[in-house]
Amino acid sequence: GDSVTQMEGPVTLSEEAFLTINCTYTATGYPSLFWYVQYPGEGLQLLLKATKADDKGSNKGFEATYRKETTSFHLEKGSVQVSDSAVYFCALSESGNTPLVFGKGTRLSVIA
Amino acid sequence: EAGVTQSPTHLIKTRGQQATLRCSPISGHTSVYWYQQALGLGLQFLLWYDEGEERNRGNFPPRFSGRQFPNYSSELNVNALELEDSALYLCASKMGGGETQYFGPGTRLLVL
Repeated sequence: GDSVTQMEGPVTLSEEAFLTINCTYTATGYPSLFWYVQYPGEGLQLLLKATKADDKGSNKGFEATYRKETTSFHLEKGSVQVSDSAVYFCALSESGNTPLVFGKGTRLSVIA
Repeated sequence: EAGVTQSPTHLIKTRGQQATLRCSPISGHTSVYWYQQALGLGLQFLLWYDEGEERNRGNFPPRFSGRQFPNYSSELNVNALELEDSALYLCASKMGGGETQYFGPGTRLLVL
């Protein structure tokens, strides 16, 4: 079945450091890919998405590019802030009629 | 535009009791998904409702059930509660035919 693998962390960075969180997937078809963020004590918020190969999703300084050849969707940000401290989930959906399949999440802590 | 809402925010029950969790989707969304986020187990798909019908369910026992009402709100029922049912239960909604799921803040269920 479909699966998502992401680095589990925790990841601790200093403010203004560069962030990469790796995400790779296994799917039978051509899924849509998502990054969700969960701030402490809250639900999930959609951070960005990409629906086809070579698409780049971006939001709030975060970016991820759908790489079909490497089945990857790595999350990057050039300069993290303390307010980016959260758990980040990579997810895929094979179609609009299937549930999301999530990675285990990566906890990011940014220190001033 | 109001987001997905869930109630209650917290619920404490004892083993063997029943729990009812509620979810109101974003206006115009017809699909509701339920996920369980248990400590150490990541996010797991529970149930999917669309247009009042159960369309899919995850690998959970039948004591997890639910329904969707004509106004597209949804209810998750968990019977014969067990200690391991303690988790954050997240509801997400989606437009019919859309791909992106939007999450509520969750209900935190504690079974003692």
